[in-house]
Amino acid sequence: DGGITQSPKYLFRKEGQNVTLSCEQNLNHDAMYWYRQDPGQGLRLIYYSQIVNDFQKGDIAEGYSVSREKKESFPLTVTSAQKNPTAFYLCASSFRGTSHEQFFGPGTRLTVL
Amino acid sequence: AQKVTQAQTEISVVEKEDVTLDCVYETRDTTYYLFWYKQPPSGELVFLIRRNSFDEQNEISGRYSWNFQKSTSSFNFTITASQVVDSAVYFCALTILYYNAGNMLTFGGGTRLMVKP
Repeated sequence: DGGITQSPKYLFRKEGQNVTLSCEQNLNHDAMYWYRQDPGQGLRLIYYSQIVNDFQKGDIAEGYSVSREKKESFPLTVTSAQKNPTAFYLCASSFRGTSHEQFFGPGTRLTVL
Repeated sequence: AQKVTQAQTEISVVEKEDVTLDCVYETRDTTYYLFWYKQPPSGELVFLIRRNSFDEQNEISGRYSWNFQKSTSSFNFTITASQVVDSAVYFCALTILYYNAGNMLTFGGGTRLMVKP
């Protein structure tokens, strides 16, 4: 089945450690996105990528980094510079172009202890 | 800058009641797209509908209907005869036609709908 996978579902890390969240899609989408969701709030864009080897910062990129070496994969690294990393992280993908809806993965809940 | 406001943070209804979720948006652009997504307890967002700024026709899909009014910058979502399975957080989102900038969505804060049996 086509879709987006994110792993793991739950992730615990100690403060000061970098952590990488996985996102893979087999929908043949060119564009991929990372969002952060805090309790009771909407989604905020962290980074997005329209094509391989290219990505742009979203609204809250500080403390995060990404790579896009393959069309299917868009991993997100939460670095120790992110001051409040505990959140729910959602990955999405879409065809390029404004009119296309984004398809979302199941999310990763990151808790920094 | 774009902005989406969902003033209702939580709504509670009894099964079979009709319920309307409000969405008000702000943008200076004349070409834009509006979306509704559903987020069930599992966490994954599910796409419900897309509407472009030039199409003000209302849409009905089963028990779901959407009312788009440019005059009031609103894109409201109505569920008729609500069911317990409709319990979720619903998000309204906006994107503008921005050449080569990708499909960057601006989300509202979401409305949590609780349907009680």
